[in-house]
Amino acid sequence: QKEVEQDPGPLSVPEGAIVSLNCTYSNSAFQYFMWYRQYSRKGPELLMYTYSSGNKEDGRFTAQVDKSSKYISLFIRDSQPSDSATYLCAMLPGGYNKLIFGAGTRLAVHP
Amino acid sequence: DVKVTQSSRYLVKRTGEKVFLECVQDMDHENMFWYRQDPGLGLRLIYFSYDVKMKEKGDIPEGYSVSREKKERFSLILESASTNQTSMYLCASSPLMGQGNQPQHFGDGTRLSIL
Repeated sequence: QKEVEQDPGPLSVPEGAIVSLNCTYSNSAFQYFMWYRQYSRKGPELLMYTYSSGNKEDGRFTAQVDKSSKYISLFIRDSQPSDSATYLCAMLPGGYNKLIFGAGTRLAVHP
Repeated sequence: DVKVTQSSRYLVKRTGEKVFLECVQDMDHENMFWYRQDPGLGLRLIYFSYDVKMKEKGDIPEGYSVSREKKERFSLILESASTNQTSMYLCASSPLMGQGNQPQHFGDGTRLSIL
């Protein structure tokens, strides 16, 4: 079993939809949780960064962490065609700098 | 803004060649990383470095080596390139742990083809 599971998609939604992207993990030592967005032929770009359980909002994006269920989510409100990309979740145990990535979910937002 | 620059976006080399991939960061970060990214396999860590001249093996170091002679520069070396090393290579950097658990920042990648 992988440490981090992420559905690869692809996920196709109409413009304006609310998108929910999710990852589950098995290592209870993970304390820091990140979401990266990767456009085609580009490197991953940091989107959201949260510590421990709870919610964090940034514009149309909300990151949610539920440590008791070992489950993290990224919500995108009012999705736009420019949100079409691959979204990678990543996690970090406390006191250690080696990121563990999910496989990435490919999202397509069509006009 | 953090800037991680990889010297080549696309590279084509032949089997058996020694290949150098270069990465430079401008944020004085202590940590630097090399990953490869393949469809269905995600990002896999090859090597990382937490200081000049220091290096640690990641999950898939076989066939690779690294060099960090200066803080801002981290090189990945394919000693004798093989076709199974055709991939997207990504470099990343982050500050030292003691400065808060900061996430890694990535370059735009080098798409390497070995013929």
